[in-house]
Amino acid sequence: GESVGLHLPTLSVQEGDNSIINCAYSNSASDYFIWYKQESGKGPQFIIDIRSNMDKRQGQRVTVLLNKTVKHLSLQIAATQPGDSAVYFCAETSGYSTLTFGKGTMLLVSP
Amino acid sequence: GAVVSQHPSWVICKSGTSVKIECRSLDFQATTMFWYRQFPKQSLMLMATSNEGSKATYEQGVEKDKFLINHASLTLSTLTVTSAHPEDSSFYICSARASDIYGYTFGSGTRLTVV
Repeated sequence: GESVGLHLPTLSVQEGDNSIINCAYSNSASDYFIWYKQESGKGPQFIIDIRSNMDKRQGQRVTVLLNKTVKHLSLQIAATQPGDSAVYFCAETSGYSTLTFGKGTMLLVSP
Repeated sequence: GAVVSQHPSWVICKSGTSVKIECRSLDFQATTMFWYRQFPKQSLMLMATSNEGSKATYEQGVEKDKFLINHASLTLSTLTVTSAHPEDSSFYICSARASDIYGYTFGSGTRLTVV
């Protein structure tokens, strides 16, 4: 597997701003993608998912964009709130088998 | 919605002892369960995949004799860390998937500290 550094990439935003978290995935055969939010000391919490036959999906305050050409996934959070502060992971799977997680991005929201 | 309960949430044990972590699906039958390990400021790394009634499939580099996984029922999987050492200290997380639910539900994690 890929090596992971000791420091997560960090995105710092002000409350009310829109946040964009990016993820590059490696397996061109992946057909299902999920974004998770993980707060300190807790397990990952599902945010939104998207299948490979779509390029955009919207939820409440969140939007996921999928660009299969460049194997890129993004999570957009509208009107970011302090409660959104957490580590965000993208995950991919092919054929609904095992999930492979990305490196993660820490989102810090200042009031 | 699908709920996965993981216990204990934290445990401290002495070197050389064994620790068992339980993962239960509360409102669905989990045909497959996954065990992950997470070090501070790092991502989740898959340790093994277990299907009910069969032997677990371990990822490369994970010692099957050290990390014993049992998935004896459709609602319970256990991970036993045998002869624990300080380097086994980590955050262990389980995930469960049902055959008819297109999704993965995660437990709340177990913080293991070996002293």
